[in-house]
Amino acid sequence: DVKVTQSSRYLVKRTGEKVFLECVQDMDHENMFWYRQDPGLGLRLIYFSYDVKMKEKGDIPEGYSVSREKKERFSLILESASTNQTSMYLCASSLAPHTKTGLNQPQHFGDGTRLSIL
Amino acid sequence: AQSVAQPEDQVNVAEGNPLTVKCTYSVSGNPYLFWYVQYPNRGLQFLLKYITGDNLVKGSYGFEAEFNKSQTSFHLKKPSALVSDSALYFCAVRVFYGNNRLAFGKGNQVVVIP
Repeated sequence: DVKVTQSSRYLVKRTGEKVFLECVQDMDHENMFWYRQDPGLGLRLIYFSYDVKMKEKGDIPEGYSVSREKKERFSLILESASTNQTSMYLCASSLAPHTKTGLNQPQHFGDGTRLSIL
Repeated sequence: AQSVAQPEDQVNVAEGNPLTVKCTYSVSGNPYLFWYVQYPNRGLQFLLKYITGDNLVKGSYGFEAEFNKSQTSFHLKKPSALVSDSALYFCAVRVFYGNNRLAFGKGNQVVVIP
């Protein structure tokens, strides 16, 4: 089974801090994604990466950056945390679509990090 | 832009009764649709997908979904709901051919009453 591991289940940080959320997958997936989940808003894509050192902005990238130095690891960075970034953060991975087996494959999710900014 | 809508915030159903969770989509071109489930304090788990072929798609845990092109719908169904089916359900559509990026609906809370 695909395993997507997020380093923290719960995290409490202060306004203005630099916050790192880490995600590791063990299935050699090319694509990795960061979402935030808020009640009534569903999942919104922050950033995704389709290869090492490659990244693209999602729908709500403001206030966030990402890093992908190794294929298995995708980090989300809050440069200066603010209270409106209090949320559940979900990481996901999937095969790349350019192969026959990769196209339209589902994304596999970690269990999430519930982040509170005080 | 590709999008999905889940019109109901919460669905209540008695245990043993049929369960339906509604999803409508808006796409240009062929739709590629997915259903996920989220149990409390967990990430999303993949249930099933529609790519092409039969309009009735079978998935995990006894769930199935019916693709209806004329009504642009992809409703999730289960013939007999269990209390353990109480969870948050998300419908999603593939956004762009070049990657496996998805756009998710807002989610439906399903409550199965014993």
